[in-house]
Amino acid sequence: DAKTTQPPSMDCAEGRAANLPCNHSTISGNEYVYWYRQIHSQGPQYIIHGLKNNETNEMASLIITEDRKSSTLILPHATLRDTAVYYCIVKPGSSNTGKLIFGQGTTLQVKP
Amino acid sequence: GAVVSQHPSRVICKSGTSVKIECRSLDFQATTMFWYRQFPKQSLMLMATSNEGSKATYEQGVEKDKFLINHASLTLSTLTVTSAHPEDSSFYICSGTGADQYGYTFGSGTRLTVV
Repeated sequence: DAKTTQPPSMDCAEGRAANLPCNHSTISGNEYVYWYRQIHSQGPQYIIHGLKNNETNEMASLIITEDRKSSTLILPHATLRDTAVYYCIVKPGSSNTGKLIFGQGTTLQVKP
Repeated sequence: GAVVSQHPSRVICKSGTSVKIECRSLDFQATTMFWYRQFPKQSLMLMATSNEGSKATYEQGVEKDKFLINHASLTLSTLTVTSAHPEDSSFYICSGTGADQYGYTFGSGTRLTVV
């Protein structure tokens, strides 16, 4: 079973920041937080991941609370192409080992 | 970046026939391939994990004799849905990773419709 809880859906205005929350209250010390997104009828796309420090890349920022029980994915300037289902996943170990178990995710609708 | 090419993207087959789905890692060696199934409006469900040269490990409730997985090379993994039935209609997605790979790369998916 997935170890994360996400709101089923969110709306965001185009050009504004999209903040997607994720609860992972049972996360273990060796588990990373990963974010993927799936645009309709495509395979998932990697966005970002982190262990305990905040992370930023060209796509998004990841804010992890100090107790690591929750995190927020931030898309700084959402566009219509960011409309997708966003999955928060916790997984132990390094980046290329272990299974990715998907929960229900958050459907983000970016509106003009 | 890393690419996993998945074919076919769509397939329609008759009930009782078998369908093969291929996933090729184009610019990395996929030592591990994961196979997922996704029903409409649902999340991805992991079906099995295959390591190159070894038998696949299936998740609980997934019939290994119905969903045959072959991972004979570091760049090719196949999923064969045998004796397909309408309830097997779904979106099938592969994901590969390897020792020289950072993270997991997903294929674009195969929409299987069994009529």
